[in-house]
Amino acid sequence: LAKTTQPISMDSYEGQEVNITCSHNNIATNDYITWYQQFPSQGPRFIIQGYKTKVTNEVASLFIPADRKSSTLSLPRVSLSDTAVYYCLVGDEGFQKLVFGTGTRLLVSP
Amino acid sequence: NAGVTQTPKFQVLKTGQSMTLQCAQDMNHNSMYWYRQDPGMGLRLIYYSASEGTTDKGEVPNGYNVSRLNKREFSLRLESAAPSQTSVYFCASSEASGAGEQYFGPGTRLTVT
Repeated sequence: LAKTTQPISMDSYEGQEVNITCSHNNIATNDYITWYQQFPSQGPRFIIQGYKTKVTNEVASLFIPADRKSSTLSLPRVSLSDTAVYYCLVGDEGFQKLVFGTGTRLLVSP
Repeated sequence: NAGVTQTPKFQVLKTGQSMTLQCAQDMNHNSMYWYRQDPGMGLRLIYYSASEGTTDKGEVPNGYNVSRLNKREFSLRLESAAPSQTSVYFCASSEASGAGEQYFGPGTRLTVT
């Protein structure tokens, strides 16, 4: 079972770029890396998913090195509304491997 | 298009009581899930349904049962509630496999006294 390790919390200021790194040393060949965002009293919301190299969408980028033992979620120019908990998941087609972990609590200040 | 809906939003039970949490999705997704989230913790998978007519245990299934009533609906039942089941329960759905994007409902906050 691929376990992930993330920083418990991070602080940033509006307009800065934030990089949250997730370690997943036991990632399997078929595993994808997925990031979710969760606001208080809401369900998680999908941000981005990747398998290798770099993936970019309208809200974030995901960097995955060649060995895939870690990944970095990059949030460009954060705003106050990006204050949330961010979860890194590693899993494949097997449902049993969906482990959210405790996530990273990001606080963005003015 | 409501996405994933859950009822009720809040519930208080006494130890030993039973209840069913309802979940429905209108996105024609094949897979559905039930998670619980304890304060300050991540989500833990209770049960999932890969497709209509199938259900399977997740990480923490003890004390729960599920029913995939049809493609839209997936219910979670607590037969004899215990204080340890005090939590926020989230239902989710996805088009295909567990690794795909999941869409979450707003959650049900359950307190067992």
